Amino acid sequence: GAVVSQHPSWVICKSGTSVKIECRSLDFQATTMFWYRQFPKQSLMLMATSNEGSKATYEQGVEKDKFLINHASLTLSTLTVTSAHPEDSSFYICSASRYRESNQPQHFGDGTRLSIL
Amino acid sequence: DAKTTQPTSMDCAEGRAANLPCNHSTISGNEYVYWYRQIHSQGPQYIIHGLKNNETNEMASLIITEDRKSSTLILPHATLRDTAVYYCIVRSMEYGNKLVFGAGTILRVKS
Repeated sequence: GAVVSQHPSWVICKSGTSVKIECRSLDFQATTMFWYRQFPKQSLMLMATSNEGSKATYEQGVEKDKFLINHASLTLSTLTVTSAHPEDSSFYICSASRYRESNQPQHFGDGTRLSIL
Repeated sequence: DAKTTQPTSMDCAEGRAANLPCNHSTISGNEYVYWYRQIHSQGPQYIIHGLKNNETNEMASLIITEDRKSSTLILPHATLRDTAVYYCIVRSMEYGNKLVFGAGTILRVKS
């Protein structure tokens, strides 16, 4: 089956630093990637949709200047949490879809656990 | 996207079939039903999806009612490793192909 890889799987850093998370589709070209956030005991919340070669589309309430998304190639999207603070600590998960308009399933990475001290 | 309703939690005996229901009474004609599961501290895993016909794969079966207002995910022989949160999601191609996750059903498989 399709494989999506996320890196790093776990990161701890000081308040005020920026953290970059990578999401790669390993065996298919992903025209669209999605970024989610999940707080403890809650469901996944969609943050933004990342389309290769164009600007990301952010969900309502998600700060685009805080969460920078880049999708420069068909196999890589990155999420940068800028000037991270303790309230940004969460489980960040990406998913990839082969085509934007398709009934084919999205495939998810194993997530990145971010802890801001 | 159509909203789905799932029971908060269910228990199932190991080796028995697990039947997870989902209501999606406002589903429209071009919306698919998807099932994912999330094992603790991992990303969601795709299970199965369908439009109106019943579907089966190596993991599960999906039974969709004729009026498409509800569906049931069936794990034929549940194991302890099937303990997870199961999400039923209705997905529309018109809304950027997004998956909107609800609360899901916590399935506990017990020996």
